[in-house]
This record gives sequence, C-alpha cells and structure tokens, in this order.
Amino acid sequence: SYVLAQAPSVSVAPGQTARITCGGHNIGSKDVNWYHQKPGRAPVLVVFDNSGRPSGIPERFSGSRSDNTATLTINRVEAGDEADYYCQVWDDNTDHVVFGGGTKLIVL
Amino acid sequence: DVQVVESGGGLVKPGGSLRLSCILSGFSFDDYSLNWVRQAPGKGLQWVSSISSTGTHRSYADSTKGRFTVSRDSAQNSLFLQMNSLTVEDTGVYYCARGSRVGGSYSDYWGQGTLVTVSS
Repeated sequence: SYVLAQAPSVSVAPGQTARITCGGHNIGSKDVNWYHQKPGRAPVLVVFDNSGRPSGIPERFSGSRSDNTATLTINRVEAGDEADYYCQVWDDNTDHVVFGGGTKLIVL
Repeated sequence: DVQVVESGGGLVKPGGSLRLSCILSGFSFDDYSLNWVRQAPGKGLQWVSSISSTGTHRSYADSTKGRFTVSRDSAQNSLFLQMNSLTVEDTGVYYCARGSRVGGSYSDYWGQGTLVTVSS
C-alpha cells in the first residue's frame, strides 16, 4: 500500500518560515492535499491539488512538490498556526485515500 | 453556508454494530463525492470509506472492508456508515466530509465528528 512519511514535529519561531514535508514514492505524479487540525477540532483543508488555496486560507500557506516530496510552506508563522498538519493523496493503484502520519508544528 | 453534522456514535461492545449518519446542507448534494475519515484517540487521520456522487462507486480501507458499508440518500441529503463486527481498534472520532465535485481527492468541508467507543 502507498505510504506517506511525515516528520513527527517541526519547530519554528514566530515570523519565520515553516516547511513541512511529505515523502512518498513518485508523489510528484499525484495531487497532494494538506490539512491542519487543532486539538479537539475537525481538520481544515489548507491546500488542495498541490498548490490551490481554499477561500479563507491566508496567502502565507503554499504547497509545492517534487519527484518524491511534497512541501507545505507557511510564511511569517504566527502562534495561531500551531497545529497538526497532514498531507493526503489518492492512490490510483488501490483506489484508496491515504493520509500521512501528521506533523505537529510547534511555534516557539 | 455548507454544513455537515454527524450523529449515531456511542458505546458498543466488541462484535456489535452501529450506524452513523451525516446530514449535509448548503450545496448541491448530488454533485459531490463524500467521505468518512476517523481518528483514534491521540492518533492521526485514517481514511475509512468514500462514495461517488451517484453512489455507484464505493471504496473502503482494508481494515474496514467487509465489515463497513457506506451509502447515501439524496432525498435526505444524508451519508451513512453501517459498521458491523466492531473491534476495539474501531474506536475513535468519525468525521463525515464533503469530497470533490469534479476530480480531486480532497475533502473541503468536515463535520465536528461523532465518537465511537468499542469496549466491553
């Protein structure tokens, strides 16, 4: 089955840039979506189809991908960005939706 | 505004059954695929099942296939998940989410979740 690998945590100071990565075999050929989730709350879509941004999501959030890695970049990080971040793709081989294990963004 | 509201969670014994419901509103229900995603306590998101806009195509995570059945009813703007032969590993918050209209695998609107606890 297709596996997405995420680091357990990323730490960044306020005002700096956070980069959260998602590794997967040939992920560059798949559409990648990103969600954030705060404790006790439902997930929120922050990037869809690699680089699309839903309405209401600040321009500080952007997505990119290369051959085997997708990256969510958060510019000018704020305390309110502290959350768990998940990447997600659809695996056409199995017709399954796959989530990464999640990365906790810690704002120092 | 799009609204998503789940119900039907609760405490059930191992081997038991439960039926989750989700009412979605504020958009053209028949145009969108729909998804169930769950989250075990303290763990990450796990996809459970998806159903196409017409209901003709359904897919399931390996851990739920053969035990869970997803369905939808356009007359009620509702999504359902029938869960049988439940085990303790099925414990968690179950989220209903709106999928895509044309292509795409993302879920853009989520409910607040309903808690399923499987315990003797």
